[in-house]
Amino acid sequence: DIQMTQSPSSVSASVGDRVTITCRASQGINSWLVWYQHKPGKAPKLLIYGASKLQTGVPSRFTGSGFGRDFTLTINSLQPEDSATYYCQPANTFPRTLGQGTKVDIK
Amino acid sequence: QVQLQESGPGLVKPSETLSLTCTVSGFSISSGYYWGWVRQPPGMGLEFIGSIYHLGNTYYSPSLGGRVTMSVDKSKNQFFLNLTSVTAADTAVYYCVREYYYADSGYPSDSWGQGTRVTVSS
Repeated sequence: DIQMTQSPSSVSASVGDRVTITCRASQGINSWLVWYQHKPGKAPKLLIYGASKLQTGVPSRFTGSGFGRDFTLTINSLQPEDSATYYCQPANTFPRTLGQGTKVDIK
Repeated sequence: QVQLQESGPGLVKPSETLSLTCTVSGFSISSGYYWGWVRQPPGMGLEFIGSIYHLGNTYYSPSLGGRVTMSVDKSKNQFFLNLTSVTAADTAVYYCVREYYYADSGYPSDSWGQGTRVTVSS
């Protein structure tokens, strides 16, 4: 089974900052990596698929990159509404184990 | 636009079976793709439970030790989750999802239900 390891587990940053979250897969998964945003009391939301493709309606300050085992989610110019927990997940293998999550707080 | 809605009991006794239904509207399950369940225990992260293909193939998380069964009723445009021998560790918010095929990108969960809270307690 593929394990997904995210870092950091939490980050606190100011509005306007750039925030970077990393995700490492225990085996290569090509570009079959997705990122979700999850806010308390809401359903998770698909942000990025195919490692770098922005889901419709997602602000362009969110960018994804990576291939194989190492992936990155970057939030450029952090906004107050970006306070949430972010998860990575492989999208073309089973089980679709999610990373443990990265909580982003606004200072 | 596709919508998913979970339903089922909010309280289940230990050792009993947790049964949830996901009703899909705005999209036919018969059209294809995978349909899945994800849960979030209190204070913890999201956990993949399993997926079912529209043709009936199933894939379950090994961490649930064979307690999971999923099924589909295309005539009602619903799919189902059964989790047997539940304990307090199964207390969570349960989400149903559509895993839609994106070319060269696999099957991301692009649509989610609002979630239903299930508590395991006597």
